[in-house]
Amino acid sequence: GENVEQHPSTLSVQEGDSAVIKCTYSDSASNYFPWYKQELGKGPQLIIDIRSNVGEKKDQRIAVTLNKTAKHFSLHITETQPEDSAVYFCAAMRVDYKLSFGAGTTVTVRA
Amino acid sequence: EAGVAQSPRYKIIEKRQSVAFWCNPISGHATLYWYQQILGQGPKLLIQFQNNGVVDDSQLPKDRFSAERLKGVDSTLKIQPAKLEDSAVYLCASSLQGGRGETQYFGPGTRLLVL
Repeated sequence: GENVEQHPSTLSVQEGDSAVIKCTYSDSASNYFPWYKQELGKGPQLIIDIRSNVGEKKDQRIAVTLNKTAKHFSLHITETQPEDSAVYFCAAMRVDYKLSFGAGTTVTVRA
Repeated sequence: EAGVAQSPRYKIIEKRQSVAFWCNPISGHATLYWYQQILGQGPKLLIQFQNNGVVDDSQLPKDRFSAERLKGVDSTLKIQPAKLEDSAVYLCASSLQGGRGETQYFGPGTRLLVL
C-alpha cells in the first residue's frame, strides 16, 4: 500500500517568513496529491492540490511542487500570517482512488 | 452549498458502552467515507460507501464497528463495545463519485473520548 511520510512534524516561523513542508510517497502510480489544513476543533479543509501531469501549482501565497522522479512533493507558504497557524496534512491518492495521509505538520506563526 | 454535517460534535463514554455517529454528506455526492483520526496522526480510512453499497471496509474492525448508508444519503457509524483505544476524532467525508483525483470534503468530526 501507499506510505506517505511528512516532515517536519512541527514548524515555527516568524510572521512574514516562508514555511515549507515536505512529503514523500512510495507508490509511483499515485497521481493526485492534495494538501489539507486542519484548524483546532475543525475537520481538514482542502487548500491546494496537484496532479501528476503538473510540476507546480500556485494559489496566491500557497504553492505546491511535485517531483515524480524522486516521489516527493512540497507545500510552500509565503508571507505567513497568524491565521496560517494550523496542522497541515499532505496526502497521496493510490491506484484504488484511496487517500493515504501524512502524519501532519503543526505550523505556528509567531507574531 | 452546505458542507458535510456530522453529529454529535463531542461524546464521552465509558469502555464497553456503545456509541453512534451520524453524517450527512454534501448533496449529490455519491461517495461517503468514514475516517478515524487518532491524536497526532493523519486520518485513516475505515469504510467507503458508493451510494448505499460498501466499496471498501477492509480497515474496519468488524468485531466492534459497523456502518450503514441505507438510502444512499446519510450514514451512521457505530461502535459496540467501545475500547479505550477508540478514543479519536471520527471524520466523515464525501466526494462526487469517488473517482481519480476527486476532492474529498470533510465534516467537522466527532471527538470521542472513551474512559
